[in-house]
Amino acid sequence: NAGVMQNPRHLVRRRGQEARLRCSPMKGHSHVYWYRQLPEEGLKFMVYLQKENIIDESGMPKERFSAEFPKEGPSILRIQQVVRGDSAAYFCASSEGENYGYTFGSGTRLTVV
Amino acid sequence: AQSVTQLDSQVPVFEEAPVELRCNYSSSVSVYLFWYVQYPNQGLQLLLKYLSGSTLVKGINGFEAEFNKSQTSFHLRKPSVHISDTAEYFCAVSNGGFKTIFGAGTRLFVKA
Repeated sequence: NAGVMQNPRHLVRRRGQEARLRCSPMKGHSHVYWYRQLPEEGLKFMVYLQKENIIDESGMPKERFSAEFPKEGPSILRIQQVVRGDSAAYFCASSEGENYGYTFGSGTRLTVV
Repeated sequence: AQSVTQLDSQVPVFEEAPVELRCNYSSSVSVYLFWYVQYPNQGLQLLLKYLSGSTLVKGINGFEAEFNKSQTSFHLRKPSVHISDTAEYFCAVSNGGFKTIFGAGTRLFVKA
């Protein structure tokens, strides 16, 4: 029973390029969350999705960032025209419902050069 | 609005000594509380959670936490730590919705 799968583990992008981060939730989990972790900081909520729906995107920057969780396939976090400040670890988590606690993936470490 | 404060950014402790990692929260409604552990270059792993019932919650790896509503605290404890417990620990709070707010983390260093 695989856990939450994130890929790639490491991603290097030049300024101005696009970054696509993928997340396959744990089997049986229909709720997906994305968080960003900067050095010496905690996890900052970005977005919460269910299949084909964005439920809460209050933590997403207004520009360049988008997320989707299609009916088939993984959830995608897309960052367009990346800047150095986007360098961080991005974690995906999934849950089977409210207040069950999250299962986290191993994260994607994005470096913008 | 909810918030979580982890009072210590780093906690050094000798092996086999007891440890307490402190967490305070603020919320205007009922809360659900969690502790997660993160080992280097890995994702977070759920240690324990408080949803309701007994205020003393036992988790994995010998950790436990006590919910104190009057002091709005949820401190994590272990009576005897091992080198392998060296990691970063995150306290988190949810108010029953789906968004969970995390604290800034506490780095536990266990020394031989």
